[in-house]
Amino acid sequence: QQQVKQSPQSLIVQKGGISIINCAYENTAFDYFPWYQQFPGKGPALLIAIRPDVSEKKEGRFTISFNKSAKQFSLHIMDSQPGDSATYFCAASIGRDDKIIFGKGTRLHILP
Amino acid sequence: KAGVTQTPRYLIKTRGQQVTLSCSPISGHRSVSWYQQTPGQGLQFLFEYFSETQRNKGNFPGRFSGRQFSNSRSEMNVSTLELGDSALYLCASSLEGLAGLAKNIQYFGAGTRLSVL
Repeated sequence: QQQVKQSPQSLIVQKGGISIINCAYENTAFDYFPWYQQFPGKGPALLIAIRPDVSEKKEGRFTISFNKSAKQFSLHIMDSQPGDSATYFCAASIGRDDKIIFGKGTRLHILP
Repeated sequence: KAGVTQTPRYLIKTRGQQVTLSCSPISGHRSVSWYQQTPGQGLQFLFEYFSETQRNKGNFPGRFSGRQFSNSRSEMNVSTLELGDSALYLCASSLEGLAGLAKNIQYFGAGTRLSVL
């Protein structure tokens, strides 16, 4: 119940295309859903986050779509660029003091 | 402002040895968390320290331990190393807590890559 399932494991997208990464969860107590971006040799960095009281959040080319009834959320990267090539992790947590549960990551490669 | 600093960046140890990893958080951050990252399991939470006290703990055996000093710097220790402990160990710091509030955004270091032979 504490798991966050992420798919796909890897994704190849043409430059300018839309990259879509999906995550699903079981625990309805989760109330914070961040996405992290990790480049090789670096630690993960917070990209964008959403709470379950909104269905969509957009920051630049990055959009989180949230479906509370289906217990699913996804990251959309519009106009994908080679510089977006990285590993992306979805995550979930409960309250301000709980540990963050991470998905297993998606390795994204944008073709130039 | 300096980011989260982890030392050393790379370590090679043999089975049965013990290892200590160090993390210096961003200045002013009081919460330090540790994660293990492996290709198969992804990012797994080890523990979180706040004001020198362990506040949260993941599902790892007692061989994994940590501590936090009064200046918020933290160390993680793994005793009796096993081959399966080979991983990237990440430290993250935040102002007060783990998640949910903007001020509690976690900032990660680049990690310590531990290889157990």
